[in-house]
Amino acid sequence: GQQVQQSPASLVLQEGENAELQCNFSTSLNSMQWFYQRPGGSLVSLFYNPSGTKHSGRLTSTTVIKERRSSLHISSSQTTDSGTYLCALERGSALGRLHFGAGTQLIVIP
Amino acid sequence: EAAVTQSPRNKVAVTGGKVTLSCNQTNNHNNMYWYRQDTGHGLRLIHYSYGAGSTEKGDIPDGYKASRPSQENFSLILELATPSQTSVYFCASGEGGEYFGAGTRLSVL
Repeated sequence: GQQVQQSPASLVLQEGENAELQCNFSTSLNSMQWFYQRPGGSLVSLFYNPSGTKHSGRLTSTTVIKERRSSLHISSSQTTDSGTYLCALERGSALGRLHFGAGTQLIVIP
Repeated sequence: EAAVTQSPRNKVAVTGGKVTLSCNQTNNHNNMYWYRQDTGHGLRLIHYSYGAGSTEKGDIPDGYKASRPSQENFSLILELATPSQTSVYFCASGEGGEYFGAGTRLSVL
């Protein structure tokens, strides 16, 4: 079954608005990662966040293991934030063996 | 910054033909991974490796083989390509599998 579920599937924002992306998982995990994928391009790691809250510029990731969820908050969105955001979980002893969600497609309009 | 290079970037193959996708990393990472990405499925793990000479099956290994002849190189091999293997393939490396290549777009006709 689906181990990693992301919501919403897509999101359209006006530039300057905030976004909250959700990732829920149905199994125990070692770690959670968030990636950004450029349209038609590669993946860039945003956060490695097994638990708690991490910040990077306008991005904040929060993982609550006992609730089996992780979120990515984007503040003051910019058009360059447009793309797909993917969460991935790493289970058990399988280092780096990631299980990805289907992603949230974000479009930020000026 | 870790560099993962995939080749070719685009490939058109015929059904039943052999296809080899190559991946090279120059950061001395032990772990390397091959994923495919399809609409509605996200990325799914095909094969991975924890070092030269080792390969392990991922979640969807059927129809694929992998080869890790050296620390730097990890190949994905489709011995008999089928149209269902049309996809975008990504190689990744790193302890957390966090460094991705640019992807290879494969079309099997």
